[in-house]
Amino acid sequence: EAEVAQSPRYKITEKSQAVAFWCDPISGHATLYWYRQILGQGPELLVQFQDESVVDDSQLPKDRFSAERLKGVDSTLKIQPAELGDSAMYLCASSLQGKTQYFGPGTRLLVL
Amino acid sequence: GQNIDQPTEMTATEGAIVQINCTYQTSGFNGLFWYQQHAGEAPTFLSYNVLDGLEEKGRFSSFLSRSKGYSYLLLKELQMKDSASYLCAVNTGGFKTIFGAGTRLFVKA
Repeated sequence: EAEVAQSPRYKITEKSQAVAFWCDPISGHATLYWYRQILGQGPELLVQFQDESVVDDSQLPKDRFSAERLKGVDSTLKIQPAELGDSAMYLCASSLQGKTQYFGPGTRLLVL
Repeated sequence: GQNIDQPTEMTATEGAIVQINCTYQTSGFNGLFWYQQHAGEAPTFLSYNVLDGLEEKGRFSSFLSRSKGYSYLLLKELQMKDSASYLCAVNTGGFKTIFGAGTRLFVKA
């Protein structure tokens, strides 16, 4: 069964450092999402791609976060510099027609 | 504004039936999803409702009333492994989906 791949699974970093997360969606899924989930809360959309184009990044803190999906397949989310409040689970999801989303295992980030 | 409400926590007994409610107020509606999320893991898709009525899938059923902005997830014959968070999510049109905060379900023996 096809799955969304993410790496790394866990990341510990110090504040002011740069971190990057990678996501490979299910093959053929044009829509890719990056979410941040704080413990006890639902996923919050950071950025959404349709193929290589950003369709929604209204909640992305653009002073420190960036995301790209250069060839419309895999994607990278970067944080620079990381802050203590960025500690969370970062989830990547993909969908075929923008409906049912399939999530990867997530990257758990801890900023010290 | 956009709003999805669900209870924060629920507790039920193994073998019993539990109903998790979700109410929503959104600018648009193009379907409602339920996801299950075990602690420390990613959400997994459970069900999708776009028309009014009940959708049954094994031990899980999901109901939707669009006029009331209301849905519920029904879990029958509860098992210990059903202890998880259950997320209600609404597709508000196009490719936009918003998530509720989730309901944490505890199943006790």
